[in-house]
Amino acid sequence: RKEVEQDPGPFNVPEGATVAFNCTYSNSASQSFFWYRQDCRKEPKLLMSVYSSGNEDGRFTAQLNRASQYISLLIRDSKLSDSATYLCVVYRYSSASKIIFGSGTRLSIRP
Amino acid sequence: EAGVVQSPRYKIIEKKQPVAFWCNPISGHNTLYWYRQNLGQGPELLIRYENEEAVDDSQLPKDRFSAERLKGVDSTLKIQPAELGDSAVYLCASSRDRKGEDVKNIQYFGAGTRLSVL
Repeated sequence: RKEVEQDPGPFNVPEGATVAFNCTYSNSASQSFFWYRQDCRKEPKLLMSVYSSGNEDGRFTAQLNRASQYISLLIRDSKLSDSATYLCVVYRYSSASKIIFGSGTRLSIRP
Repeated sequence: EAGVVQSPRYKIIEKKQPVAFWCNPISGHNTLYWYRQNLGQGPELLIRYENEEAVDDSQLPKDRFSAERLKGVDSTLKIQPAELGDSAVYLCASSRDRKGEDVKNIQYFGAGTRLSVL
C-alpha cells in the first residue's frame, strides 16, 4: 500500500459544478499538507497549504482530518480552467524526514 | 523574480550513455529538491539539499545517480550509465526555509527536463 493515496479519476464534471476529492495518508506522524496543481506537460504549482482548522481560498476549500488521516479539496463553481491534475503532498519532519507526493487526481471540466 | 531554471528541456540519449541535468534555484532559496516523475505518477523525491548539504538522498539510486550542489546555489544531477527505465521528467524545485518561520517548504518547480533513453 502506498503511503499517500489518491483516486486517479478522471473526474468529469460540468462547468459550475462542485467537486471534491480526498487524499489519504498512512503515517500518523505526517505534519504538513499541501495541494499542488499540475497542468498537462507542465510543472506542479502550489494551489494551497492545508491547515488543521481548514482553509479557503476563493472557490477552493481544503480540509484536514487527522483522526481519519486524509485531506480533502473542494472546488465550487468549477471553471474550464480548473481542468488539471491535483496532487496532494505530505511532509514528515522527523529524523528521517519525508516528502511524499500522491499520484494525482485528474479533473476535467466540460462546458 | 526569476523562477527555477532547468536545462536542458529535452534530452534523448542511448542506453548506457551518461547524462546531466542542471538547475538554478530561485535566488535566496536555501533548499533544493530533485524529483523524478513518471507518466501518470506524482513526483518522487530523489534528493533534497539544505544549502550544500544533502539531507535526504534515501531515494537516490546511488549506483548510477549522483548529484552535487556546490556553493549551495546551482545543482547538477547525473546519471551514468542511463538505463531504459530512467526515461522520465526530472524536476528541480526550490524553497525558502528559515528556522522560526511558520510557512515552510513551499516548493517552486522548474519546467523540468524530459529524458528519453533509447
